[in-house]
Amino acid sequence: TQLLEQSPQFLSIQEGENLTVYCNSSSVFSSLQWYRQEPGEGPVLLVTVVTGGEVKKLKRLTFQFGDARKDSSLHITAAQPGDTGLYLCAGAMTGNTPLVFGKGTRLSVIA
Amino acid sequence: EAGVTQFPSHSVIEKGQTVTLRCDPISGHDNLYWYRRVMGKEIKFLLHFVKESKQDESGMPNNRFLAERTGGTYSTLKVQPAELEDSGVYFCASSQMGGWNEQFFGPGTRLTVL
Repeated sequence: TQLLEQSPQFLSIQEGENLTVYCNSSSVFSSLQWYRQEPGEGPVLLVTVVTGGEVKKLKRLTFQFGDARKDSSLHITAAQPGDTGLYLCAGAMTGNTPLVFGKGTRLSVIA
Repeated sequence: EAGVTQFPSHSVIEKGQTVTLRCDPISGHDNLYWYRRVMGKEIKFLLHFVKESKQDESGMPNNRFLAERTGGTYSTLKVQPAELEDSGVYFCASSQMGGWNEQFFGPGTRLTVL
C-alpha cells in the first residue's frame, strides 16, 4: 500500500507555464519534506513544512501543507528548463522517524 | 561543511558475492538512515541508527543485510550473499537530533547484481 500518493507521475510543459504537483495521504504527518533529485545524485532538500495550512515560498516555488497535515502541494510559476528533474515528497510520522516517500514526479520543461 | 558521502558510487557483482557499502554522514548528525530505491518503485526505508545504536531496522529485507555504525560515525551496509532482487540504488541520509528531521542525502550507491 502506497502511503504517499504523488501526482502526476510525469509532466512535460513548455517554458513559462505554471504547474502543480500533489502529494496525498490518509495518514497525518508531523512534517513533510520536498526534495529534488537529478540523475546520478541523491535527493536534495528543498523545503520542510510542519504546520497545517503552512505556505512556504522559495523563489518561483510555493509549497503548501494541508490543514489536516495529510497532503501537500508544490506549485511552480513560470517554469524554466532548469526546473527539470524528479520532485519527491516525503513525510515523517513523528520526530526522527524514517521518511515515507512518494514515487515522485518527473518534470520536463521544454524551452 | 561537507555533505553526506557514500562509497562506492557503483558496484556490479555476481549473485552470491558480498558487497559492503559505506556512508559518511554530516559531522555531528546523530541520526543516520539507510534507504533503497529499486527500479520503478519509491524510495523505501531500511534502517535507522541513533549514534551507534540501531533505532529501527524494520525495513531490512532479510538477514542477508547487515548494517553497522561503530563509534557512531560512519556506517556500513553489507549484503551477503547478494541476490538479483538486491539491485537498486542505496541511499544514506543523516539528520540532527530534535528539530523537524530534515534529512540530507548522499549521492547513493548503484548496486547491480548479475
